[in-house]
Amino acid sequence: AQSVSQHNHHVILSEAASLELGCNYSYGGTVNLFWYVQYPGQHLQLLLKYFSGDPLVKGIKGFEAEFIKSKFSFNLRKPSVQWSDTAEYFCAVNLPSSASKIIFGSGTRLSIRP
Amino acid sequence: DAGVTQSPTHLIKTRGQQVTLRCSPKSGHDTVSWYQQALGQGPQFIFQYYEEEERQRGNFPDRFSGHQFPNYSSELNVNALLLGDSALYLCASSLASGLAQPQHFGDGTRLSIL
Repeated sequence: AQSVSQHNHHVILSEAASLELGCNYSYGGTVNLFWYVQYPGQHLQLLLKYFSGDPLVKGIKGFEAEFIKSKFSFNLRKPSVQWSDTAEYFCAVNLPSSASKIIFGSGTRLSIRP
Repeated sequence: DAGVTQSPTHLIKTRGQQVTLRCSPKSGHDTVSWYQQALGQGPQFIFQYYEEEERQRGNFPDRFSGHQFPNYSSELNVNALLLGDSALYLCASSLASGLAQPQHFGDGTRLSIL
């Protein structure tokens, strides 16, 4: 069965530090990849998505993610975090053949020290 | 722009009871998906409804059932509640198409089973 692994459960950074959150998935075929963010007290929001093409994807609020097919990875990055980036981040995947079913990782809680 | 709305916000039930959760999709969306998010976990796909029919189902027992109405709103029903059903139930809506469409999430219904 397909699965998504986020190895960092809680990451604590200072403002202006660089961020990289890891995401690995287990499926050998074509996949669609997503990062969702959940700010405190808010609903899940799409941060960025990858369907095909350029493996470096840019999203909202200065986030980007790189799809590395050989490593089955889709890591999220931001060069300089802000206090407002404090949130829970979820990596997710679905298969084009099963477009309705999104499989989420367990999430990474990001805390930014002001 | 009305996003995805869910009701109620919170609900407390006892074991063995039945519960109905409601969801109105984002304006213009015709597809509704339901997810269960246990504490400390990522959302898990329950099922998706399109054209008033269940299109795909995750690994959940038959105690979980749903319905979609002609106005695209949806209900999630859970029978014979167990303590393990305590979770945040998320509704997500999207527009059906041949490609995976990003799903827009509601704030969820927090269900507590005593």
